[in-house]
Amino acid sequence: GNSVTQMEGPVTLSEEAFLTINCTYTATGYPSLFWYVQYPGEGLQLLLKATKADDKGSNKGFEATYRKETTSFHLEKGSVQVSDSAVYFCALSEYTDKLIFGTGTRLQVFP
Amino acid sequence: EPEVTQTPSHQVTQMGQEVILRCVPISNHLYFYWYRQILGQKVEFLVSFYNNEISEKSEIFDDQFSVERPDGSNFTLKIRSTKLEDSAMYFCASFGTGPDSGPEQYFGPGTRLTVT
Repeated sequence: GNSVTQMEGPVTLSEEAFLTINCTYTATGYPSLFWYVQYPGEGLQLLLKATKADDKGSNKGFEATYRKETTSFHLEKGSVQVSDSAVYFCALSEYTDKLIFGTGTRLQVFP
Repeated sequence: EPEVTQTPSHQVTQMGQEVILRCVPISNHLYFYWYRQILGQKVEFLVSFYNNEISEKSEIFDDQFSVERPDGSNFTLKIRSTKLEDSAMYFCASFGTGPDSGPEQYFGPGTRLTVT
């Protein structure tokens, strides 16, 4: 079945550092890929999405590219801020099917 | 922008009691889902619902759980006899297939269920 694997956290960075959170997936079909963010004490917010190979999703300075050849959807940001501290979830779904989430990666950014 | 709403935001109940968590999906969406997140853990799928029927359910969704769309707007999750391990955040989501819909499910803010 389909699955998502994310790098373990926490990821600890200084403000303005470069961020990469790795995500790889296994899928039998052609899923859409997502990154969700969860700020402390809050719900899930869609951060970005991509629906097909080589699509690049972007939002709020974050980017991720749908790489079919490496089955990856790594999240990147060039310069993180303290306000980016949160848990980031990689996820996939195939059309109306359930979302399958990775285990989440906690990002802590210090000034 | 349309949004999914959930009530209550926090529910405290005693073990063995029944709880009903309520969700109002986006009005023109037809696919509905419940997920749960035990504190500090991953988000897990519980059940999906379409055309007044369960489309898929996970192993977590045993006989203690049920879902219903009692009217044209609400979507409910019932836990008949709560256990301590049911303590979690429960998220409702909906999905649309219209021409303006994207590939993403829209999530509600969640209901935190605490079983004592």
